Amino acid sequence: EAGVVQSPRYKIIEKKQPVAFWCNPISGHNTLYWYLQNLGQGPELLIRYENEEAVDDSQLPKDRFSAERLKGVDSTLKIQPAELGDSAVYLCASSPRGGQTYTGELFFGEGSRLTVL
Amino acid sequence: AQSVTQLGSHVSVSEGALVLLRCNYSSSVPPYLFWYVQYPNQGLQLLLKYTSAATLVKGINGFEAEFKKSETSFHLTKPSAHMSDAAEYFCAVSGSSSASKIIFGSGTRLSIRP
Repeated sequence: EAGVVQSPRYKIIEKKQPVAFWCNPISGHNTLYWYLQNLGQGPELLIRYENEEAVDDSQLPKDRFSAERLKGVDSTLKIQPAELGDSAVYLCASSPRGGQTYTGELFFGEGSRLTVL
Repeated sequence: AQSVTQLGSHVSVSEGALVLLRCNYSSSVPPYLFWYVQYPNQGLQLLLKYTSAATLVKGINGFEAEFKKSETSFHLTKPSAHMSDAAEYFCAVSGSSSASKIIFGSGTRLSIRP
């Protein structure tokens, strides 16, 4: 079974440029998360999807960040325009969440490391 | 509200020595607790989880953790460290419902001395 796939693994851009990250979750996982991980820190939730619906986007900086999961499968996270402080690793995770199947376990991708110059 | 505190951002032990990584949590509901491991340039991988069954939980790679409600702790241990255990370890807490947020600690970097 394939794991969570993210691309690109690494991205270097200049400030004020746009950037997008893509995530394909494990097949059958209806819940998808985007996390931000700063250097030396734990992951912080940006947004959580249940199928196509964003059920928790309270920590997403909506002035420059946007996300979509149009068909309830893969997802894209976009930053426009990027700032120096956005340099971090963006992690995608999925889980077979909901109802009787909730275990709390997250399955993570390898992350997309963003460097803003 | 829930939170996690990991004591010690960096722990160094000798190969073959006991590994002890500390985690204390705060939760207003019965918690689910997790330990994840992250190797360089990789995502997080689940080591073990506590979901209200046995309080002593065994995970992969010889790690185990004990849920102590009275101490609000969930410390991670391994009897004998191996060089391959060098990584970043994260403790996490959530509630038991599917609507719960999952909160991560700031991590502990484990180094192994030859």
